Amino acid sequence: AQKITQTQPGMFVQEKEAVTLDCTYDTSDPSYGLFWYKQPSSGEMIFLIYQGSYDQQNATEGRYSLNFQKARKSANLVISASQLGDSAMYFCAMREGLWEYGNKLVFGAGTILRVKS
Amino acid sequence: EAEVAQSPRYKITEKSQAVAFWCDPISGHATLYWYRQILGQGPELLVQFQDESVVDDSQLPKDRFSAERLKGVDSTLKIQPAELGDSAMYLCASSLGTGTSYEQYFGPGTRLTVT
Repeated sequence: AQKITQTQPGMFVQEKEAVTLDCTYDTSDPSYGLFWYKQPSSGEMIFLIYQGSYDQQNATEGRYSLNFQKARKSANLVISASQLGDSAMYFCAMREGLWEYGNKLVFGAGTILRVKS
Repeated sequence: EAEVAQSPRYKITEKSQAVAFWCDPISGHATLYWYRQILGQGPELLVQFQDESVVDDSQLPKDRFSAERLKGVDSTLKIQPAELGDSAMYLCASSLGTGTSYEQYFGPGTRLTVT
C-alpha cells in the first residue's frame, strides 16, 4: 500500500502568492514523523520542515508551514509569498517509529512547483 | 556548515561494468543511508547503516549491489555488473539518530548513466 501520496504531479503559482502542496499518508504506528524536502534541478535534497505525530501545533519554518490534520492523515505544505527560487520538486516523506533501527524515510512521488513572474 | 560529501557527482559507464560510489557523512552521524532515485520518482532506500552494521538492506539487489561502511564512518556502494535499469541518482544521507524526529541530511548525489 502507498504510504505517502502526493496527488499533484505539477503546480503553478504566481510570484508572491501562497501555494499549498498536498500530502496524505498511511500508517498504523502512533509515533511517526513527517518531513518535506525540496529538490532543485541540481539534485540535492534540502530539508524544509518537520512535524511529529504528537506535536500539538502546526510546524512553521520561515515562509514554510505544515498544515497537519491528523484525523485526515494529511500533512500539506504551505509556501507563503512564493519566490522564483522556490521552483523545484517537493517531496513529502514519513518516518515511522515502530522500530528503534531501520525506520527509514518513505517518500512520495513528488510535486513539481513552477513559480511564474 | 557540515555537509554530506559524495563522489563522483556524475558517472557514465557501460553495462556489465563495475561502478562504485563514495559517501562521507557529517562527522558524528552514526546513521548512514543510501537511496536510489529514478527520474521522476521519490528516493527509495537501498541500505541503512548504524555505525558499521547494516540494519536494513531489504531493497538492495544483493546479486549485483554491495555496500560497506568499514570503521563506521565513510561508505562505499558498488554495482557489479551495471545494468541499463540502474541509471538513476544515488543519494547518500546521514542523521544523528534514528528517532522519528531526526532529520536526514542529504549529499549532492551521484548521477549514474549506464549505456
